[in-house]
Amino acid sequence: GDSVTQMEGPVTLSEEAFLTINCTYTATGYPSLFWYVQYPGEGLQLLLKATKADDKGSNKGFEATYRKETTSFHLEKGSVQVSDSAVYFCALLRGGNKLTFGGGTRVLVKP
Amino acid sequence: DTGVSQNPRHKITKRGQNVTFRCDPISEHNRLYWYRQTLGQGPEFLTYFQNEAQLEKSRLLSDRFSAERPKGSFSTLEIQRTEQGDSAMYLCASSLASSGRARRPLGDTDTQYFGPGTRLTVL
Repeated sequence: GDSVTQMEGPVTLSEEAFLTINCTYTATGYPSLFWYVQYPGEGLQLLLKATKADDKGSNKGFEATYRKETTSFHLEKGSVQVSDSAVYFCALLRGGNKLTFGGGTRVLVKP
Repeated sequence: DTGVSQNPRHKITKRGQNVTFRCDPISEHNRLYWYRQTLGQGPEFLTYFQNEAQLEKSRLLSDRFSAERPKGSFSTLEIQRTEQGDSAMYLCASSLASSGRARRPLGDTDTQYFGPGTRLTVL
């Protein structure tokens, strides 16, 4: 079945550091790929998405490129802020129905 | 606020009691989803509706769980005879799917928008 694997956290960074969170997936066909973010005490928010190979999703300085050849959708941000401290979830959607999520990566940005 | 809303936000119950949660989706969204998230894990799919029809149920949804969406708007998730293992965050999401009658999809048909969740604690 479908699965998503993302790097385990926590990832601890200093402010203005470069952030990468790796995400790889297993699925047949051509899923859509998503990054969701969960800030402390809040619900899941869509961060960015890509619906086909080589698409790049971007939002709030975050970027991720849909790489079909490596079945990856790594999340990057060039300069993190304390406010980026959160749990980040990679997810795939195939067939327009259920999302399959990775286990989440906690990111802590220190001033 | 036009986002997905869920009530209650927190529920503490004793083992063996029944609980019911409510989800109000974004208006005009015809799909509604329920997920469960345990501490330190990603959300897991439970079930989804298109309008009032329940189209898919996960194996995680035991016989003690039932979900309804009677008028194709809000949905309820009921857990009967709760167990300590039911303690989790229950998330609701909604999305817009093409009805098939429109000539083209209206807006973003892939994206699921989540509510704040209902945290259930079973003592």
